[in-house]
Amino acid sequence: QKEVEQNSGPLSVPEGAIASLNCTYSDRGSQSFFWYRQYSGKSPELIMSIYSNGDKEDGRFTAQLNKASQYVSLLIRDSQPSDSATYLCAVSPTGNQFYFGTGTSLTVIP
Amino acid sequence: AAGVIQSPRHLIKEKRETATLKCYPIPRHDTVYWYQQGPGQDPQFLISFYEKMQSDKGSIPDRFSAQQFSDYHSELNMSSLELGDSALYFCASSPTSHTGELFFGEGSRLTVL
Repeated sequence: QKEVEQNSGPLSVPEGAIASLNCTYSDRGSQSFFWYRQYSGKSPELIMSIYSNGDKEDGRFTAQLNKASQYVSLLIRDSQPSDSATYLCAVSPTGNQFYFGTGTSLTVIP
Repeated sequence: AAGVIQSPRHLIKEKRETATLKCYPIPRHDTVYWYQQGPGQDPQFLISFYEKMQSDKGSIPDRFSAQQFSDYHSELNMSSLELGDSALYFCASSPTSHTGELFFGEGSRLTVL
């Protein structure tokens, strides 16, 4: 079992809709959770971090964490074509170890 | 703002050759990570350094070694290259004050022929 599981997609949503990306993790002791965006052929870019249960909002992005269910999600409101990318969920069980999921490919259709 | 600098951006080698990748972290970032990403794959953690000492080791082959120097730059040395080593190699740095927030370089694309 991989440490971090994501639905690889592809996920397609129309422009202006809400895109919902999900991630589960296996290490119940994990403390830190991150969402990275990666455009094709480019390096991952951090877009959200979340450390405690609940929601964290940053502009059009909302991260949701449920440690009891070992589940973290990312909502993108008012999706734009420029949001089309692969979204990587990353989980850190300790301060210096990070495990990435395989990523969910998102396409926003104009 | 300064970013993570990696060199070379592209590298072509033959099987059994040796390659060295370099990484210059963001100034005042004290932790450096190396990741390997194959086509369509998630980034695989190879190794990390904190304050010039190796802090964690992931799925790094024995043919690979890495170190961090006094100026905090890091080098990944890969020997006896195999076709399967062809991948994008990312270096990322992080400040201790924001553990987990990795800032990635543009990557070095290694092609082994």
